[in-house]
Amino acid sequence: GAVVSQHPSRVICKSGTSVKIECRSLDFQATTMFWYRQFPKQSLMLMATSNEGSKATYEQGVEKDKFLINHASLTLSTLTVTSAHPEDSSFYICSARGPRDRAAGNTIYFGEGSWLTVV
Amino acid sequence: RKEVEQDPGPFNVPEGATVAFNCTYSNSASQSFFWYRQDCRKEPKLLMSVYSSGNEDGRFTAQLNRASQYISLLIRDSKLSDSATYLCVVNEGDMRFGAGTRLTVKP
Repeated sequence: GAVVSQHPSRVICKSGTSVKIECRSLDFQATTMFWYRQFPKQSLMLMATSNEGSKATYEQGVEKDKFLINHASLTLSTLTVTSAHPEDSSFYICSARGPRDRAAGNTIYFGEGSWLTVV
Repeated sequence: RKEVEQDPGPFNVPEGATVAFNCTYSNSASQSFFWYRQDCRKEPKLLMSVYSSGNEDGRFTAQLNRASQYISLLIRDSKLSDSATYLCVVNEGDMRFGAGTRLTVKP
């Protein structure tokens, strides 16, 4: 099946610094990727939809200047958490819309997730 | 009203029990539907796509009711390893997630 790789899996950074997380579709082209955040024991929260070659669409309440998304190629989207603060510590997961299946439509495949800890 | 709603649970059931989850969606133009499983501190993994005629994979059965705008997941003969959070996902152009239903299967 389709594979999405996310890197790094864990990162610790100092408050005020920026962190970049990469999301790659390894064996298919993904015109659309999604970024989520998940706090402990809470559900996935969609942050933004990333479209190759255009600006990302952010969900209400998500600061686009703080969470910079770049989708420069059909296999790579990046999320940069700028001026990170401890409250940004969370599990960040990306997903990509996979090849279309005639019966099921587009399935989405998730990266392994990135644990961000801001100290 | 949320676009995709699930009963958050938790559902605590004994081994061997049959358990069912429902998920309702608000957009009647939704195109496709999926159930994902998420284990603690891991990424969600696709469990089943949901076809209009309903589909079965071993102990798991998924069904779609377009008229009432819900999908369901039935797990028969539940195992300890079925303990996880089950996410309903609806493709309405954008992928929309339910908040997930927690299942714990106990010995």
